[in-house]
Amino acid sequence: GQQLNQSPQSMFIQEGEDVSMNCTSSSIFNTWLWYKQDPGEGPVLLIALYKAGELTSNGRLTAQFGITRKDSFLNISASIPSDVGIYFCAGLDSGGGADGLTFGKGTHLIIQP
Amino acid sequence: DSGVTQTPKHLITATGQRVTLRCSPRSGDLSVYWYQQSLDQGLQFLIQYYNGEERAKGNILERFSAQQFPDLHSELNLSSLELGDSALYFCASSVDGGGYTEAFFGQGTRLTVV
Repeated sequence: GQQLNQSPQSMFIQEGEDVSMNCTSSSIFNTWLWYKQDPGEGPVLLIALYKAGELTSNGRLTAQFGITRKDSFLNISASIPSDVGIYFCAGLDSGGGADGLTFGKGTHLIIQP
Repeated sequence: DSGVTQTPKHLITATGQRVTLRCSPRSGDLSVYWYQQSLDQGLQFLIQYYNGEERAKGNILERFSAQQFPDLHSELNLSSLELGDSALYFCASSVDGGGYTEAFFGQGTRLTVV
């Protein structure tokens, strides 16, 4: 099956710092989604990207759909304590979701006081 | 609140038993996806239903089965449970079953097999 490589696996940052994480794939995706998951909760959709090169913002979050359609990144500016959680990228291929979403392994964001 | 409802929230059962997890999709969504999340495997796609029909299968064991009913709610049946089946099971729904669509997740069912 398809594999998504998400990095970094974890990040320890200070409040107020900017954060950057990315996902790469060996195959092309038509849609990239970024989710955040809090402990004991389901993933919550943050940003959806539908076109190669697309750059989309949602408050302090910005995500981009790579030109090659094989990668995407998520930036969080001026991090705050509630940003703590696990961030997942997910890709949907041109098969129209035939395999569902393929998820990265997640980036654990930890904010140190 | 994503609008996707999963019950029960927690389930503890013994090995060899059978359980049923239930999912109600968001109003208007026709597609339901089931995922398993364990610590070492991350989120793994199990199966997708679209408007009552099975659309796609992922890494779903033969001991597991699912269905989507005419009112679009879905059930995931897990039988002959093993310790390794302990995990979070998520349901997600989307408007359609194709690409260019966003999936919204429920809060999950935490299954513990003892």
